[in-house]
Amino acid sequence: DAKTTQPNSMESNEEEPVHLPCNHSTISGTDYIHWYRQLPSQGPEYVIHGLTSNVNNRMASLAIAEDRKSSTLILHRATLRDAAVYYCILRPLTGANSKLTFGKGITLSVRP
Amino acid sequence: NAGVTQTPKFRILKIGQSMTLQCTQDMNHNYMYWYRQDPGMGLKLIYYSVGAGITDKGEVPNGYNVSRSTTEDFPLRLELAAPSQTSVYFCASIPGTGNYGYTFGSGTRLTVV
Repeated sequence: DAKTTQPNSMESNEEEPVHLPCNHSTISGTDYIHWYRQLPSQGPEYVIHGLTSNVNNRMASLAIAEDRKSSTLILHRATLRDAAVYYCILRPLTGANSKLTFGKGITLSVRP
Repeated sequence: NAGVTQTPKFRILKIGQSMTLQCTQDMNHNYMYWYRQDPGMGLKLIYYSVGAGITDKGEVPNGYNVSRSTTEDFPLRLELAAPSQTSVYFCASIPGTGNYGYTFGSGTRLTVV
């Protein structure tokens, strides 16, 4: 499975934008880039995913580099509730065993 | 629409005991997964299923068994519990192969003493 590399942690101020980076230099053409987050003592929560084009939804935006070797999750206005571990994951589109492989993620702290 | 429901939420087992962690989804999803998460770590895949009657091993299957007799249910069985199985267990599902986000349950916190 292709791997991702994320910083261990980041800090942000409340109501400011947050850019969470992810490197995936060995990504293959059929790998989707998924982002999940996990709040303390909860299960992971789907945030966003994309293939080649930038994606937006009500939670966040996903900016994908042109060569697809890196991506950035953008939280437009961080709130205290956004403090969580964020996982960047590559998931192959095809195959019966197409599954998520989780790394350690990046821990986001939000300062009031 | 409850999503993915896991029971129990908490359990303490003694070494050598057995138990079944329940997972049910009401979204008619074909693919279901069991993960475990040890403190401070990411999730590791235990078993997965791509449909009723079909299961396969993930990264860390030893000490666990699964079955998938219906689309809705994907129970995880622990036989002869060991302290190394102390962890938080998450069940997840997606419709099938394709462009989907996973839906996770809220987890079962298991302690083996």
